[in-house]
Amino acid sequence: DAGVIQSPRHEVTEMGQEVTLRCKPISGHNSLFWYRQTMMRGLELLIYFNNNVPIDDSGMPEDRFSAKMPNASFSTLKIQPSEPRDSAVYFCASRRGTDSNQPQHFGDGTRLSIL
Amino acid sequence: GQQLNQSPQSMFIQEGEDVSMNCTSSSIFNTWLWYKQDPGEGPVLLIALYKAGELTSNGRLTAQFGITRKDSFLNISASIPSDVGIYFCAGHMNRDDKIIFGKGTRLHILP
Repeated sequence: DAGVIQSPRHEVTEMGQEVTLRCKPISGHNSLFWYRQTMMRGLELLIYFNNNVPIDDSGMPEDRFSAKMPNASFSTLKIQPSEPRDSAVYFCASRRGTDSNQPQHFGDGTRLSIL
Repeated sequence: GQQLNQSPQSMFIQEGEDVSMNCTSSSIFNTWLWYKQDPGEGPVLLIALYKAGELTSNGRLTAQFGITRKDSFLNISASIPSDVGIYFCAGHMNRDDKIIFGKGTRLHILP
């Protein structure tokens, strides 16, 4: 079975540019999560969706960050304009159902470098 | 905000040794989870714990949900080279809530 698929795997861009990260959750999963991982702060939840609806975006750093889930099989995380401090690994995870007893399955992440 | 304190931050052990790491919080958790992350990959769930006092094994791994619901430990017996990686504890404070992650324990195995 295909796991969570993220693209691109690596992104290097100059500050000020728009960055779009993509995620395809596991088929049949109802919840989708976006995380950011840095050495300093570890894994931080940015936003999560249940049944394509954003539930909690309190982890989104600022207005430069936005996330959408137009359908059950696709989500994007956009940063506009990007800044060097946005450099991190961004993970997408999905979960069957909306019950926390169900495990989250992570993608392999997008390593983002903003120059 | 809610925090999970995970220790140790890193460990250097000899192959074959047993490993123990733990996670504590000042808040009560309803579930405890242990993940492992290999370089260049996302975290993978190792063990999930749902009841206070629960002791669960997965091969050479054993984890327990503390009685107070404020802590959990993970043990690895007879470590092997592929155990190298970062181990994260995580938990839910409420049934439908988001996961909170610890900062991780980085495991190194000396040749």
